[in-house]
Amino acid sequence: AQKITQTQPGMFVQEKEAVTLDCTYDTSDPSYGLFWYKQPSSGEMIFLIYQGSYDQQNATEGRYSLNFQKARKSANLVISASQLGDSAMYFCAMREYAGGTSYGKLTFGQGTILTVHP
Amino acid sequence: GAGVSQTPSNKVTEKGKYVELRCDPISGHTALYWYRQSLGQGPEFLIYFQGTGAADDSGLPNDRFFAVRPEGSVSTLKIQRTERGDSAVYLCASSLTRGQTDTQYFGPGTRLTVL
Repeated sequence: AQKITQTQPGMFVQEKEAVTLDCTYDTSDPSYGLFWYKQPSSGEMIFLIYQGSYDQQNATEGRYSLNFQKARKSANLVISASQLGDSAMYFCAMREYAGGTSYGKLTFGQGTILTVHP
Repeated sequence: GAGVSQTPSNKVTEKGKYVELRCDPISGHTALYWYRQSLGQGPEFLIYFQGTGAADDSGLPNDRFFAVRPEGSVSTLKIQRTERGDSAVYLCASSLTRGQTDTQYFGPGTRLTVL
């Protein structure tokens, strides 16, 4: 089973509008972390935002916020006031504690390509 | 400060050859990770180091792949008898420790092409 599912292969948004990128996850571990990364056409993975499974508040970082719905196992990224430079691939990723072993690897989804139109 | 660096940025080799890919993590970062990203896919975990030792190598696809980090800083991913299916972008990341909240910072990747 897929641990991270991103169901939107591509999304389009008008400049200055808000957009939501979907991410659902699957884990039986009560302790986990969720990350969003941006990958522009240059290829480098850029960290955007982090949400811990025990965090009570939704994470926010500037124009990025994470809509964390634990019972639904979803961690959607909301980008407000989209800019042309936001056009990129976006990946959702999860880090699990894995039952006694230490935290380590990230498991990534398939990604969503976001295109911002002027 | 300097980010994660990877060399070479591009590597073209012939099937059956041996290649080495290098990663220089952010100074002071004790954890180092290797991922592989095929075209149109998310990165897939290969191996991670805590200090000099490989803490988890469960993602290495077979025994042609090997990685070292002898002094706890620079790491080298080694691929023997390369196959066309090994063609991908190899990403390296580092983090301060290996805690749940620790963010992994990625390098620009090495694009490997096996002809």
